[in-house]
Amino acid sequence: EPEVTQTPSHQVTQMGQEVILRCVPISNHLYFYWYRQILGQKVEFLVSFYNNEISEKSEIFDDQFSVERPDGSNFTLKIRSTKLEDSAMYFCASKRGSDSEKLFFGSGTQLSVL
Amino acid sequence: GQSLEQPSEVTAVEGAIVQINCTYQTSGFYGLSWYQQHDGGAPTFLSYNALDGLEETGRFSSFLSRSDSYGYLLLQELQMKDSASYFCAVRNRDDKIIFGKGTRLHILP
Repeated sequence: EPEVTQTPSHQVTQMGQEVILRCVPISNHLYFYWYRQILGQKVEFLVSFYNNEISEKSEIFDDQFSVERPDGSNFTLKIRSTKLEDSAMYFCASKRGSDSEKLFFGSGTQLSVL
Repeated sequence: GQSLEQPSEVTAVEGAIVQINCTYQTSGFYGLSWYQQHDGGAPTFLSYNALDGLEETGRFSSFLSRSDSYGYLLLQELQMKDSASYFCAVRNRDDKIIFGKGTRLHILP
């Protein structure tokens, strides 16, 4: 089965530094998402992306966050100035189209902000 | 706003049946999904209900009542490998899917 791939699997950074988390969604999928999960807690919606623009974002997704699909295959999440509370597992997900209900998740990037 | 409520933990015995409930409050409801997540893993899709009634997929079934804003996931013939967290999720727009806090399922031998 096709997979969503995420790199790196682990990222350690200093508070205040910029990080870019990378994702390659499934190639024929049209909707892309970022979620995050603090250990043992809920899977929190950050942002959805369709047709090369943000379609929905949560209150978590403030000016420090941005997403980009630079080349038609990669989908990136940038955090400009990381905070301690940004430490979490970040999941990328994609789905085929508006008529599809199944989100395919990547294996995640564990971000640790020191 | 929107919210989903599900029990934080459920315990059941291997071979038994367990039901995990989910109630939701949301606008523009399209449907209710269920995802499984093993420790250290990514959520994986289990089922989706857009209409009232029961959907069956092997040992797993999911039920929806739109009028009650309620659904459940039913797991039959429990196996130790079913020990995981289970999340209900609401689709309320074409591109926004919100997850509940998850139910940790413990299975006893």
